[in-house]
Amino acid sequence: EDKVVQSPLSLVVHEGDTVTLNCSYEVTNFRSLLWYKQEKKAPTFLFMLTSSGIEKKSGRLSSILDKKELFSILNITATQTGDSAIYLCAVDKYNFNKFYFGSGTKLNVKP
Amino acid sequence: NAGVTQTPKFRVLKTGQSMTLLCAQDMNHEYMYWYRQDPGMGLRLIHYSVGEGTTAKGEVPDGYNVSRLKKQNFLLGLESAAPSQTSVYFCASSTTTGAGNTIYFGEGSWLTVV
Repeated sequence: EDKVVQSPLSLVVHEGDTVTLNCSYEVTNFRSLLWYKQEKKAPTFLFMLTSSGIEKKSGRLSSILDKKELFSILNITATQTGDSAIYLCAVDKYNFNKFYFGSGTKLNVKP
Repeated sequence: NAGVTQTPKFRVLKTGQSMTLLCAQDMNHEYMYWYRQDPGMGLRLIHYSVGEGTTAKGEVPDGYNVSRLKKQNFLLGLESAAPSQTSVYFCASSTTTGAGNTIYFGEGSWLTVV
């Protein structure tokens, strides 16, 4: 059975801290892994990682994909209160046109 | 750019009532999805569609029906609402690219069944 597991479920840090969010997966016909940030409403796209793009970086956020060990991490450095959100990991499969989501990590950054 | 639009945003239903959530996308995407999100459970797929006139069941389809009569629209129906269907519902769409698909979400519909 395909599954995506995120850890931790929730996390509280202070501004300036560095955090690492984890996503492991067991999915056949893996195509890509995606990270989303969800604040009050709709999840917004952060990164897509594929076989040809296993490391991505945007400002203070970065992510890597380990296809051998079947996991990804999302790093946020110098956290700010605006980083408080639920971070979702999703896996896309070839030929299935469906996305499998983890339960999310709720990050709370305190001033 | 509208992207994915859902209506209504908020609704309170009585047990046993029926309703339809409407979703429209203007990106000409082939694939559309309905998810529900409950605390601690992430996004769970209810139904999805790979093209106009086609629908398929997701992880939690019971109690819901869908229709995709036009490529840009995907409707989610609750025939007889139950309190267990109190949730936030997200519509989404995607299309295939060479590297992989990216899914785009609507703003969400908050449904309470009392």
